Amino acid sequence: NAGVMQNPRHLVRRRGQEARLRCSPMKGHSHVYWYRQLPEEGLKFMVYLQKENIIDESGMPKERFSAEFPKEGPSILRIQQVVRGDSAAYFCASSPPGLAGGNEQFFGPGTRLTVL
Amino acid sequence: TQLLEQSPQFLSIQEGENLTVYCNSSSVFSSLQWYRQEPGEGPVLLVTVVTGGEVKKLKRLTFQFGDARKDSSLHITAAQPGDTGLYLCARGGATSGTYKYIFGTGTRLKVLA
Repeated sequence: NAGVMQNPRHLVRRRGQEARLRCSPMKGHSHVYWYRQLPEEGLKFMVYLQKENIIDESGMPKERFSAEFPKEGPSILRIQQVVRGDSAAYFCASSPPGLAGGNEQFFGPGTRLTVL
Repeated sequence: TQLLEQSPQFLSIQEGENLTVYCNSSSVFSSLQWYRQEPGEGPVLLVTVVTGGEVKKLKRLTFQFGDARKDSSLHITAAQPGDTGLYLCARGGATSGTYKYIFGTGTRLKVLA
């Protein structure tokens, strides 16, 4: 059973470009979470999605950031017009259905975004 | 904002030594998770503690949840270089009534051979 997959693992963008980060949850998992980790810091919650629904986006900046989890295909975190402050590691986690996924979230390896 | 403070922030020790790291909050939480994150990788869940006073062991790692459920500790016996990593505590998940995790500030451990 493959774990949570994220791609790309590393992404370099120039200021003003768009970044698209993909996350495929574990098989059977229907809950997806995105977190951001700045260098030398812990992880900060951004958004929680179920298939075709955004459940909680309270941690996501109001502008330039969006997320989706379509019926088919991976979850996408999209950052428009990137700025240097967006440089960070972005982690996706997934959990199985029921009770908001239970206690355990399983994390992917992350996408490291560098904005030049 | 219910913060989780971890201490120490950094710890460098020799192989074979024992160590304890702490996770503290001003709020009561119903469950707490400990994760280890290695460079370039995502966090890996080590344990979940739920009951006040609970102690869980995972080989050389001992996890304790405070009686008042406001703090937790992780003790490593006879540390090995493979224990090197970032140790994160997190609160959240279904038993805490919220599905999103709040992570602590982390303890960066380096075990020297």
